[in-house]
Amino acid sequence: ETGVTQSPTHLIKTRGQQVTLRCSSQSGHNTVSWYQQALGQGPQFIFQYYREEENGRGNFPPRFSGLQFPNYSSELNVNALELDDSALYLCASSLGQGGRAFFGQGTRLTVV
Amino acid sequence: DAKTTQPPSMDCAEGRAANLPCNHSTISGNEYVYWYRQIHSQGPQYIIHGLKNNETNEMASLIITEDRKSSTLILPHATLRDTAVYYCIVRPRSYQTGANNLFFGTGTRLTVIP
Repeated sequence: ETGVTQSPTHLIKTRGQQVTLRCSSQSGHNTVSWYQQALGQGPQFIFQYYREEENGRGNFPPRFSGLQFPNYSSELNVNALELDDSALYLCASSLGQGGRAFFGQGTRLTVV
Repeated sequence: DAKTTQPPSMDCAEGRAANLPCNHSTISGNEYVYWYRQIHSQGPQYIIHGLKNNETNEMASLIITEDRKSSTLILPHATLRDTAVYYCIVRPRSYQTGANNLFFGTGTRLTVIP
């Protein structure tokens, strides 16, 4: 148990729709990172938020966007869903950008 | 881009030491070696990291060769709960143990056999 909670645990969406995934960081943590993990692959870095600002981004298109709230919880939004967006989405929280990061158990998104 | 090479899978008998190798021949002077693991249906978990000296913590030991081109993660007494995918990652020290821009690759699937 890492103290990082993600919701929902599973989600099915139709191609072209939009989706919002949520992450509640561990108490006291002010940094949240998001990852996408396709089946059989390692997680891929999407972006990181530190004190409500995006401060790092991987090779993902602009339709992947995020927010971090004053309580440091975070959302990942994906617009115009594609079949290839089907994956496990993981978030991790840490105290500061270099603090030890703890991952949640992820949200399994299926796009049909 | 992959900076490390790991075998895709390994088996280990329960109670024996599990030695997981990793090649990182292009590692630069300011880069550390990090190890994470991902147990099925869970998020990745940090294990250990090091620069050039051997490191040990409550979970594992990390042995880095003198030329720093390869390393070995050692689980001294593997249990069934150690069955997981193990990722070796090379990254600049500035990232410390944060989750910014980790490149996981495909890792080594370790199966601990009863």
